[in-house]
Formats: sequence, structure tokens, C-alpha cells
Amino acid sequence: SQKIEQNSEALNIQEGKTATLTCNYTNYSPAYLQWYRQDPGRGPVFLLLIRENEKEKRKERLKVTFDTTLKQSLFHITASQPADSATYLCALGEGSGGGADGLTFGKGTHLIIQP
Amino acid sequence: IAGITQAPTSQILAAGRRMTLRCTQDMRHNAMYWYRQDLGLGLRLIHYSNTAGTTGKGEVPDGYSVSRANTDDFPLTLASAVPSQTSVYFCASSSQTSGGAVTQYFGPGTRLTVL
Repeated sequence: SQKIEQNSEALNIQEGKTATLTCNYTNYSPAYLQWYRQDPGRGPVFLLLIRENEKEKRKERLKVTFDTTLKQSLFHITASQPADSATYLCALGEGSGGGADGLTFGKGTHLIIQP
Repeated sequence: IAGITQAPTSQILAAGRRMTLRCTQDMRHNAMYWYRQDLGLGLRLIHYSNTAGTTGKGEVPDGYSVSRANTDDFPLTLASAVPSQTSVYFCASSSQTSGGAVTQYFGPGTRLTVL
């Protein structure tokens, strides 16, 4: 069966360090992978998208890598700040339709940046 | 610009009652989605609509129905609510990026409790 795995345990990082979150998947052939941020009591907010033919994507302090051989994406936040504390979700879209039928989400990793 | 609005914000409902969750977007996105989010299970797709007049089933459609009479509105109906439908419900719409990939915009959610 299809499965997306993210660290279920909370990740505690010291302010200023790089936080690295992992998303592993099995039995998917995603055309692309996305990362979302979710704050308590709010809906997810889109952060970054990376396509299957891209190795790395950056946006300000964020960096995403995508390894289709390992079936893994890594999400990095450099120079982390307490305001980065949130739950981060990875999501996969399959096929040329690009997920127009909806995305499949991981359960999310709760990141805590300690001041 | 409001983006996506959902109503009500929260609701307590007796089992067996009928309930419609409302969702409206003002971004003129073609595709809309309903997800439910449960602790330990993450976001799961209930129903989706790629364009006005069409709908499709997601991962967990049983007990729910949707309609898409126009571009902006995508109501979700629980015909006869059961306690297992207690959840936080998120409506989303999607904007297609270049290359066909789809990013999603989420509403603030409706917290539903069925007793």
C-alpha cells in the first residue's frame, strides 16, 4: 500500500541551527513533492514545490531536496528562529495531472525551535 | 481578498443530524477539495472537484456528499452524522503552476464534534 512517513516525534532544535525534516515514501511515483507549514488551529500553508527531475529547490532560508531513487525528500530550515516552530507536512502529487485530484499528505513533523 | 472562507468555525452536532459545511473561495480556482484532519492520521481527502459540475471521491468519502454548482462554492454535507465524523475539516482550492503541478490553498477549518 502507499505510504508517506515523516518523523512522528517532535523535533527540538536550538535557535540559529539548521533544522532538517525527513519525508520518505513507498509505492508512489510522484510527479512532484510539496512542503506545507501548519500552525495550531490553522490550515496548512504552501511553502515549496519540487519536481521529480529537480534535485534541490531553495527559497530564502528554506531548502528542499528530492531523491526519487531513495524515495526521500529532506526539508531544511537554516538559521532557525522560534517563529519557525510549527508542524511541517510533506505532500505528494502523482502523474501528469499533477495532483488535480488531491494531494496525499504525510502526518507531519512538529518542529520546536528553542530560544 | 479573503481567499477561502469556511463556515461554521466550529459546531457541536447530535448524532443522526444532517449538517452542511460551507466553503467559498474568491480566487477563481477551478479545483476544490475537502480534507479531514485527525490526530495521528493526518490530512485525508474526502471529496474533490476539478471544475464546476464535476466531483470525485477521495480516500474517505463514505458518509459525505458534495456538490459544485459554481466555481466559488463547494459545500460538504453529512447526511446523518456519526461520532466517528468528529474531526477538523479543511476546504482547499488549487492553483495550477507551470508544468501542471498543483499547489493548494487551505481555509481556516471547521471543528466538528458529533455527540
